This record gives sequence, structure tokens and C-alpha cells, in this order.
Amino acid sequence: ETGVTQTPRHLVMGMTNKKSLKCEQHLGHNAMYWYKQSAKKPLELMFVYNFKEQTENNSVPSRFSPECPNSSHLFLHLHTLQPEDSALYLCASSQDVNSGNTIYFGEGSWLTVV
Amino acid sequence: EDQVTQSPEALRLQEGESSSLNCSYTVSGLRGLFWYRQDPGKGPEFLFTLYSAGEEKEKERLKATITKKESFLHITAPKPEDSATYLCAVQAGTASKLTFGTGTRLQVTL
Repeated sequence: ETGVTQTPRHLVMGMTNKKSLKCEQHLGHNAMYWYKQSAKKPLELMFVYNFKEQTENNSVPSRFSPECPNSSHLFLHLHTLQPEDSALYLCASSQDVNSGNTIYFGEGSWLTVV
Repeated sequence: EDQVTQSPEALRLQEGESSSLNCSYTVSGLRGLFWYRQDPGKGPEFLFTLYSAGEEKEKERLKATITKKESFLHITAPKPEDSATYLCAVQAGTASKLTFGTGTRLQVTL
């Protein structure tokens, strides 16, 4: 069991649906991240939050909308996605956004867009 | 732009056959190099952090080393349960975000 929990583990959605991915960390960290992992490609950073404030948006399309209500919870709201958005979405956390801190990952949410 | 290249892309070993995985990196101001293990369908599991050239870290059959241009993950007498994808990532500058390589997929057979 990891200190970062993601739900759901698997999600299938149509291109017109609206769904959300949820992440909770139990490590007492202050920074949280969303990464995308597609086949044969390196993990791509999507968003960074530090003490609930967004500090980085890595040119992510607006059909992905993050929300961080507190330092322990992170959401990724999804709407009007495309089939190429199908991937493993990984949530992660670290003590803060300063370098030198280890980033710990959750088990991921497998998203399939049909 | 930070770059991380891992080789080989895939490696098949017999149980007990030691080998090394390579991670070459180009960054401006390395703050940390991280190794993760990822099992199919799961998130990356943290293994090691290396901060400067010459540093070594060890855990069971794994040993990570680093120079100014590359890092190696040495696997001694591997077992089938060591089969996984091993990811290398770097932190540079003042931010904690990671730049990843594409990984080495390791398969250890009996």
C-alpha cells in the first residue's frame, strides 16, 4: 500500500462525458503533481501544486482541469476528451516543490476514452 | 532543455546473470537523480536518489552509481521478481519536478 491513493483505478469514458480522477496523499506533504504516462513515451508532467496553489501548468489542454482543495487532495476533472488522451494518469506528492525532495507516486488511474 | 536517455530499451536476463542498466543525462544544475521501479499496471516505486558524482546507493540486489554524465543501476544475481521497468529521472535547478527517461524493461527468467 502506498502513501498516495488514486481512484478510480480504471475509467472508461465517452468523448462527451465529464468525469474526475481523485488523489489523496497520507504523507503529510505539501506539493502534489499530475503526470501522464503514455505507451513508449516518458512520463510527462502536467500540473504542480504547492500548498494548494498551482505553480505549474505544462501547456495542458483546457479539457483537463485540476483542483487542489487542500494539501492532501488533488483532483483532475475531465471533459470532452479525445481518444489520444487514453493513458495512465499518475498522481504524486513531495514535501514541497524545492529540488532535492523525493516524489512519491500513486498506483495511477487507467483512462480509456472511446 | 534537460534530457534523459536510458539503455537498453529492453533486457532479458537469466536468473543469476548480473548486468547493468544505463541512464545518460544532460541537465543544467543537477540536484538529484532518481531511480524508480514500475511493475505493469502500477505506479513508479521509489528506489534511490543520487545527488553527486561518485555517490553509491545499495538495496538488496540493486546498486546505483553516478558520474557527471550518467548513472548505472547494477543488478547482481537477479531473480524473476526483479522483472519490471526501471525508470531514471533527474531534478535540475530549483524545482522538484522530474524529467524522466523512457525506461528499461527488464525480464529475468528461470
